[in-house]
Amino acid sequence: EDQVTQSPEALRLQEGESSSLNCSYTVSGLRGLFWYRQDPGKGPEFLFTLYSAGEEKEKERLKATLTKKESFLHITAPKPEDSATYLCAVQTNDYKLSFGAGTTVTVRA
Amino acid sequence: DAGITQSPRHKVTETGTPVTLRCHQTENHRYMYWYRQDPGHGLRLIHYSYGVKDTDKGEVSDGYSVSRSKTEDFLLTLESATSSQTSVYFCAIRQGVNTDTQYFGPGTRLTVL
Repeated sequence: EDQVTQSPEALRLQEGESSSLNCSYTVSGLRGLFWYRQDPGKGPEFLFTLYSAGEEKEKERLKATLTKKESFLHITAPKPEDSATYLCAVQTNDYKLSFGAGTTVTVRA
Repeated sequence: DAGITQSPRHKVTETGTPVTLRCHQTENHRYMYWYRQDPGHGLRLIHYSYGVKDTDKGEVSDGYSVSRSKTEDFLLTLESATSSQTSVYFCAIRQGVNTDTQYFGPGTRLTVL
């Protein structure tokens, strides 16, 4: 059975205080690993897809990396508008997604 | 914005009543998905569709049925709602056979009393 575990469950940061979120997974036949951002009361918003170990992708203050067993989402010098829940999901060869429970990030000014 | 709307956005209903949620897309995407999101569980796949009248079950399909009679609409029905089906329901689309990203709608918050 595919498993995706995100840690920590919640992260409180001061503005400018960089940190990392972890997504560890066990899956048979990984096709890709996805990161989404979700604001309260809204649907998940696509951020990145990573396909192979060693791959990195960046968008503004966010950088996602992938190894064979886990992915990290690094938030550099966060701002209050980076406050959200970040979801990780693994995609198998049938294109189905299995999601982790998410990490809720709160950035204080 | 992947051109996805969901209706209703909020609904409160009684145990035992039937409920239908609608997902509507305007961009002719082939694949459509229904998920539910509960605290501590993340998003879980209920049913999905890979074309008109072509549907299949996800990991939490018990108590739910779906229909897709035209490309743009994917309906999720709770035949007899139970309190355990209180959740936020999201629809998602995937554009085509060789694309992998799913894009999500705004969600429907369903409360079963």
